[in-house]
Amino acid sequence: EADIYQTPRYLVIGTGKKITLECSQTMGHDKMYWYQQDPGMELHLIHYSYGVNSTEKGDLSSESTVSRIRTEHFPLTLESARPSHTSQYLCASSLLSTEAFFGQGTRLTVV
Amino acid sequence: KNQVEQSPQSLIILEGKNCTLQCNYTVSPFSNLRWYKQDTGRGPVSLTIMTFSENTKSNGRYTATLDADTKQSSLHITASQLSDSASYICVVSDRGSTLGRLYFGRGTQLTVWP
Repeated sequence: EADIYQTPRYLVIGTGKKITLECSQTMGHDKMYWYQQDPGMELHLIHYSYGVNSTEKGDLSSESTVSRIRTEHFPLTLESARPSHTSQYLCASSLLSTEAFFGQGTRLTVV
Repeated sequence: KNQVEQSPQSLIILEGKNCTLQCNYTVSPFSNLRWYKQDTGRGPVSLTIMTFSENTKSNGRYTATLDADTKQSSLHITASQLSDSASYICVVSDRGSTLGRLYFGRGTQLTVWP
């Protein structure tokens, strides 16, 4: 079983609040990713990281930011949440170009 | 443009029956193709991963095929069970960058009825 964890699993928050979604992996993977997925739709890459101090924006424009200070930790932050941010956020990690392991996801609802 | 197309979009079958899901891709240069199973509200879980030289790979009741010439893959599920109800996602990785970018299909939503 993959050792990648996301917290919280569910989050309901008011508009304008700052939130941080946590993602941690214990596999020592250099590459980590954040994906956004609306119900019934495909996953869209919003951020990725090659390693410590490396972060890049993905295909889908996002108002979120990420940081990679430690190999095992890749948090995603929304400075001011809006209803349009309501979605499921999936974190993944991989070693080189091999299999990507996904966390369970965080389902975010902004009211 | 690198794309991954899956069909059908949704499928309903009776328990015990077999089914085949399709994936066509245009990702180039090709590195590998993976099939994931995603239960509702959960993260995707890998079923199989296939490289350019592999034509068939099995994982229990799941058998994936790959035709790298026509850029097509299929996932065959035999003797379906209720727990097979999920979204099945085809993911293709390129080798044109150090990232090994992942390109996701929209998935096939499979429902197995008793």
